[in-house]
Amino acid sequence: NAGVTQTPKFRVLKTGQSMTLLCAQDMNHEYMYWYRQDPGLGLRLIHYSVGEGTTAKGEVPDGYNVSRLKKQNFLLGLESAAPSQTSVYFCASSYSSPRGNTIYFGEGSWLTVV
Amino acid sequence: GDSVTQMEGPVTLSEEAFLTINCTYTATGYPSLFWYVQYPGEGLQLLLKATKADDKGSNKGFEATYRKETTSFHLEKGSVQVSDSAVYFCALTRPSGSARQLTFGSGTQLTVLP
Repeated sequence: NAGVTQTPKFRVLKTGQSMTLLCAQDMNHEYMYWYRQDPGLGLRLIHYSVGEGTTAKGEVPDGYNVSRLKKQNFLLGLESAAPSQTSVYFCASSYSSPRGNTIYFGEGSWLTVV
Repeated sequence: GDSVTQMEGPVTLSEEAFLTINCTYTATGYPSLFWYVQYPGEGLQLLLKATKADDKGSNKGFEATYRKETTSFHLEKGSVQVSDSAVYFCALTRPSGSARQLTFGSGTQLTVLP
């Protein structure tokens, strides 16, 4: 019953450091997403992917890069972390378009940039 | 662009009280509408959804009706429990065939006291 798994769950970074968040899903979903959650702003889409080898920008893509080399994995990279990237990050996946399909979320990754 | 507006929280209720969380949206056409719930320390879970006007979504005693005339999707529950304490997010997807994203509201924190 793994569903959507994110690693790491917690991380503290210094400004300018780089890191990668890993998302893995075992439901054979085509669509995968990375969101960030900030107080008063709800969830905002960073990047998404509609299939292996594809990625697209969401609402707030600046400062982030993603890769989808394998269908089950979706990586989110921060090349040079900034304090404004302190947030909770959620990965999600769905079988197809979210219009008619349930989106499944991971448990979140808490990132602090100091 | 698309947007979702939720009533601001936090909302504090006593057990067995009636709950309403207001949600209104702006979107062209006929979006699909969703309510997600986030329990402390967890990711978001789909609570209920409605895909066309006048549809009523329901789950775990919660209900919401898709009102096209008022562009609303208010969440209601007749008798809340302590276990309902969580953050509730209203969301929509675009009606076009290329819909790939959820647009979230800012979330409403609900606390139910025994």
